[in-house]
Amino acid sequence: EAGVAQSPRYKIIEKRQSVAFWCNPISGHATLYWYQQILGQGPKLLIQFQNNGVVDDSQLPKDRFSAERLKGVDSTLKIQPAKLEDSAVYLCASSLEWGDQPQHFGDGTRLSIL
Amino acid sequence: SQQGEEDPQALSIQEGENATMNCSYKTSINNLQWYRQNSGRGLVHLILIRSNEREKHSGRLRVTLDTSKKSSSLLITASRAADTASYFCATDASSNDYKLSFGAGTTVTVRA
Repeated sequence: EAGVAQSPRYKIIEKRQSVAFWCNPISGHATLYWYQQILGQGPKLLIQFQNNGVVDDSQLPKDRFSAERLKGVDSTLKIQPAKLEDSAVYLCASSLEWGDQPQHFGDGTRLSIL
Repeated sequence: SQQGEEDPQALSIQEGENATMNCSYKTSINNLQWYRQNSGRGLVHLILIRSNEREKHSGRLRVTLDTSKKSSSLLITASRAADTASYFCATDASSNDYKLSFGAGTTVTVRA
């Protein structure tokens, strides 16, 4: 089966600019996750979708981050405006259903803020 | 906040040797998982151990879980250069609605 697809792989922007990341989960996976992984740390969950509904976004900085999964398949994560501390790898993962393990990860988007 | 903490932070071994890394966590869990991350890539699931299990094997991997000490260990036997990666433990806390909390990882370097 095809894995989780993410694009772009790399993005460099200046602070205060906006950026968007795209994720296409494994076909048939109802649950989609966005994680932020800062260099030297483990991934931190930002938001979790079940189909097109948000299950948990308690750690999403909502003043600048937004995410959507309108048709319950692919998803977009946006940052506007970006801050220096947003430099990280943004990982998307999916699982068959909510609570199903393991999660399957894409290769991420590496974001650098200048 | 990160629930799990791996130890050591980094490990360098010779090919053929065994690698052991540990994970400690703070709250009760449903299960604990280990993931591997190669440089520049996403995480790959290695093994899941449930809270009522004490030991699990998968190929060259052996995982133990001690819920009384809130700790787990991952042993990689007969290491290969391809095992060079970062290894993360992730806990699924009983009260946490299936959210995974990852530690900071152990970076393993296998020298040829």
